[in-house]
Amino acid sequence: EAGVAQSPRYKIIEKRQSVAFWCNPISGHATLYWYQQILGQGPKLLIQFQNNGVVDDSQLPKDRFSAERLKGVDSTLKIQPAKLEDSAVYLCASSPSGTGELFFGEGSRLTVL
Amino acid sequence: AQSVTQLGSHVSVSEGALVLLRCNYSSSVPPYLFWYVQYPNQGLQLLLKYTSAATLVKGINGFEAEFKKSETSFHLTKPSAHMSDAAEYFCAVSDQGGSARQLTFGSGTQLTVLP
Repeated sequence: EAGVAQSPRYKIIEKRQSVAFWCNPISGHATLYWYQQILGQGPKLLIQFQNNGVVDDSQLPKDRFSAERLKGVDSTLKIQPAKLEDSAVYLCASSPSGTGELFFGEGSRLTVL
Repeated sequence: AQSVTQLGSHVSVSEGALVLLRCNYSSSVPPYLFWYVQYPNQGLQLLLKYTSAATLVKGINGFEAEFKKSETSFHLTKPSAHMSDAAEYFCAVSDQGGSARQLTFGSGTQLTVLP
């Protein structure tokens, strides 16, 4: 069974530029999450989708971050404009409905200079 | 609101020694509890989970954890450390409500295994 796919694995940009990350969850997983993991910290939830609807985006900095999950499958997370403090690994995870068990991708490491 | 505290951001053990990584949780409802492991430049992998069945949970790679409600703890143990166990370990808590479960993670414990 294929796991959660993320791209790109690494991205370096300058502050005020924009960046987008893509995630393809495990087939059949209705729930999709984006987490931000800053170096030395645990992952922090940014947004949770159930199929193509947003369940929780209370911790998403909406002035600069946006995310969508069209057709309830793939998802894209965008940052515009980026700030230095956005340097982190962005983890995508998916879960079968109701289990609470998350399957993570390898992450996209963002460096903002 | 739920939260997790992992005591000790770095733990070092000798190869063959007991591994003990500590986790305490706070939850307003009976929790689901998880331990994840993260190897360098990789995503998180589930080690084990507690979902209100047996209080002693066995996971992969010889790890196990015991849910102690009176102590609000879910410590991770392994009788004999192996070099390949060196990684970062995260404890996480989830409420049981509905289908929109979320995980709240602790800040992680970096495990070093010394030869």
